[in-house]
Amino acid sequence: SYELTQPPSVSVSPGQTARITCSGDALPKHYAYWYQQKAGQAPMLVMNEDSERPSGISDRFSGSSSGTTATLTISGVQAEDEADYYCQSADSSGTYVFFGGGTKLTVL
Amino acid sequence: EVQLVESGGGLVQPGMSLRLSCVTSGFIFEDYGMHWVRRTPGKGLEWVSGMSWNSGRIEYADSVKGRFTISRDNAKNSMYLQMNSLRPEDTALYYCAKGMDPGETTMLYGFDMWGQGTMVTVSS
Repeated sequence: SYELTQPPSVSVSPGQTARITCSGDALPKHYAYWYQQKAGQAPMLVMNEDSERPSGISDRFSGSSSGTTATLTISGVQAEDEADYYCQSADSSGTYVFFGGGTKLTVL
Repeated sequence: EVQLVESGGGLVQPGMSLRLSCVTSGFIFEDYGMHWVRRTPGKGLEWVSGMSWNSGRIEYADSVKGRFTISRDNAKNSMYLQMNSLRPEDTALYYCAKGMDPGETTMLYGFDMWGQGTMVTVSS
């Protein structure tokens, strides 16, 4: 079964830059999508097709992908950014959807 | 305003069945692929099943294949998940999620709208 690997946790101080990675063998072939999930809330799409920011998402959020790693970058981190972040993509056949294990972003 | 509202969750014993529903509004339901995603305690998000806009493409995660059945009723703007032979590891908060791209027949897109979820607990 295909796996997308994320670090379990990332911690940064307010104002710093947080980078959350997602590794998967099929990422050179398929886009990565990123979701933010705050406690008690539904997931929210914060990055579409590797680097496209959906309407209404702060420009502090950016995305990139190179080789087998996709990265979500949050600049000028604020307390409100504290959440779980998940990447999503597909296996090499493009048949099945997979999520990464999630990364808990802690704002110190 | 786009809305997705799940229902049908509950506490059941292993081996029993449940049927989840997702009623939607605020968008042209028949144009979009729809999916079920669950969040298990301590394990994060797991994609469960998805269906294309025209029901021509249906896929399931290996963990539920043969036990769960996804369906949709475009006349009622609704999607369903029939869950049979439930196991303790199926315990999760189940979300319905809307695909971003209209008319798409693959599973290669993000999910731009989510419901608040319905809780399923499988325990004896």
